[in-house]
Amino acid sequence: DTEVTQTPKHLVMGMTNKKSLKCEQHMGHRAMYWYKQKAKKPPELMFVYSYEKLSINESVPSRFSPECPNSSLLNLHLHALQPEDSALYLCASSQDNNLRGQYFGPGTRLTVT
Amino acid sequence: QKEVEQNSGPLSVPEGAIASLNCTYSDRGSQSFFWYRQYSGKSPELIMSIYSNGDKEDGRFTAQLNKASQYVSLLIRDSQPSDSATYLCAGNEKLTFGTGTRLTIIP
Repeated sequence: DTEVTQTPKHLVMGMTNKKSLKCEQHMGHRAMYWYKQKAKKPPELMFVYSYEKLSINESVPSRFSPECPNSSLLNLHLHALQPEDSALYLCASSQDNNLRGQYFGPGTRLTVT
Repeated sequence: QKEVEQNSGPLSVPEGAIASLNCTYSDRGSQSFFWYRQYSGKSPELIMSIYSNGDKEDGRFTAQLNKASQYVSLLIRDSQPSDSATYLCAGNEKLTFGTGTRLTIIP
């Protein structure tokens, strides 16, 4: 099973809302990632969890709050977002050293109104 | 200098021909390099990984790695319209992607 699942597929939220994106993998991977992708641009790294601990935060604004409840789950909590945060949010997982590449979920298409 | 740079294209190739995609990198810490394919509106999909200097073949795809010259390439033989996508290269260490090459296979 090489599947990474993400929910929801689409999300529309106002600037005062609080919402969460969810990601799950059952490949036994110990590294999980959040990326943000704008149209016609490559994915941009936001956060990395390694063995359920936050190891990289790419200077992401605090309105994005990641959480890793266990080795299979990854959440991204959203609060007070701005319209420019509208993008495709991708979750990925890999072996802990990423020597064999990352597996991506289908993404959540987020629109902030 | 960006850690990973690609010939940004776009690249158009006739059906049945060989498509050649190139990537150079400055990250000497990476031990593995990857090619991802991303269809429009979809997420990236890992299609090739390479760890050693030389060539690695998988079906119609061949990845080439030259660590001394710091480049990685992807050859797609017998190109098909279904190969039309954006191709992204990345190393395992820095977790950043090249800008991507948009490939169109012309029937």
